[in-house]
Amino acid sequence: GENVEQHPSTLSVQEGDSAVIKCTYSDSASNYFPWYKQELGKGPQLIIDIRSNVGEKKDQRIAVTLNKTAKHFSLHITETQPEDSAVYFCAGGYQKVTFGTGTKLQVIP
Amino acid sequence: DARVTQTPRHKVTEMGQEVTMRCQPILGHNTVFWYRQTMMQGLELLAYFRNRAPLDDSGMPKDRFSAEMPDATLATLKIQPSEPRDSAVYFCASGPQGAREAFFGQGTRLTVV
Repeated sequence: GENVEQHPSTLSVQEGDSAVIKCTYSDSASNYFPWYKQELGKGPQLIIDIRSNVGEKKDQRIAVTLNKTAKHFSLHITETQPEDSAVYFCAGGYQKVTFGTGTKLQVIP
Repeated sequence: DARVTQTPRHKVTEMGQEVTMRCQPILGHNTVFWYRQTMMQGLELLAYFRNRAPLDDSGMPKDRFSAEMPDATLATLKIQPSEPRDSAVYFCASGPQGAREAFFGQGTRLTVV
């Protein structure tokens, strides 16, 4: 089955700086890669996703990139704000997705 | 505001007891997922349904777990008998027809003592 690895496990940035979270996947058949944000005591919230026929997707301060050849995908958050502090999960798969282990992002005011 | 509703939000039970968790997917969504989240294992897919039919329950311990969709507005996850290692947060998520997105509920925090 699919194996998704995520790095780093924790990330601290100053408010206004950028944050980058990286993931790798193992199954070349995977074609769907969502990213989720989970705040304390809540369920994961889908923030952006990318499909394998696209190399990059952007939504305001959030962008995702996908390198199918290297089986890498990344989340970029620009101009970080304190409310961006949360745990972020990448996921990947075909019929179903496998989640990464999460990155705890702390944005320091 | 459409959302996935899970009940109960918290459940404490004794080992050996039956536990039933319920989920109301977003109206019109035809795909339902059950996930379990623990510190050690992270988010694991237990089972998922499309149009109320089970498509994959390979992540679920078959001897004690069962998942059903009695109708399009209700999904259930049952554990019988429960064990302390079942303590986790159980999430239900639903997805719209023809799309890949999944929208999560708030979860049920289960503690088995």
